[in-house]
Amino acid sequence: DAKTTQPNSMESNEEEPVHLPCNHSTISGTDYIHWYRQLPSQGPEYVIHGLTSNVNNRMASLAIAEDRKSSTLILHRATLRDAAVYYCILWGINDYKLSFGAGTTVTVRA
Amino acid sequence: NAGVTQTPKFRILKIGQSMTLQCTQDMNHNYMYWYRQDPGMGLKLIYYSVGAGITDKGEVPNGYNVSRSTTEDFPLRLELAAPSQTSVYFCASSPGDSLAKNIQYFGAGTRLSVL
Repeated sequence: DAKTTQPNSMESNEEEPVHLPCNHSTISGTDYIHWYRQLPSQGPEYVIHGLTSNVNNRMASLAIAEDRKSSTLILHRATLRDAAVYYCILWGINDYKLSFGAGTTVTVRA
Repeated sequence: NAGVTQTPKFRILKIGQSMTLQCTQDMNHNYMYWYRQDPGMGLKLIYYSVGAGITDKGEVPNGYNVSRSTTEDFPLRLELAAPSQTSVYFCASSPGDSLAKNIQYFGAGTRLSVL
């Protein structure tokens, strides 16, 4: 499985943007980049995914480098509810499972 | 919308006891999964199923068994519980078709302590 590297933790102030980096230098051409987050004492929830182009949805934006060896999840205006562990995961087209690493713990200050 | 429902939410077992963790989904998803999460760690896959009657091992299957007799239900059985099985267990499901197959929906988890 291709691996991802994320910082252990990041802090942000409420209503400011948060940029969460993810390195995946061994990504293959058919791997999708997925982001999930896990709020305290809850199961993970899907945030966003992409292949080559940048993606936006109501929760976040995903910026993918041109060489696809890195990506950035952008939370445009952090709220206290965005405090969670964020996981960057590569998903191959023939994969059935998600491989969760340690993720990035995001703390939002009021 | 119920989504993925897990029962029980909490359970304490004695060493050597057995139990079944229940998981049901109402989204007609083909794929279902069981993960465990130890404190401060990411999730590890125990078993998964791509449809009724089909199951396969994940990364950490030892000490567990599963069955999938219906699309909706995917119970996880612990035989002879051990302290190493103290963890939070998450069930998940995904549609299993084309690009949408890779979005998983998780239950709230079952917190299990084996003493």
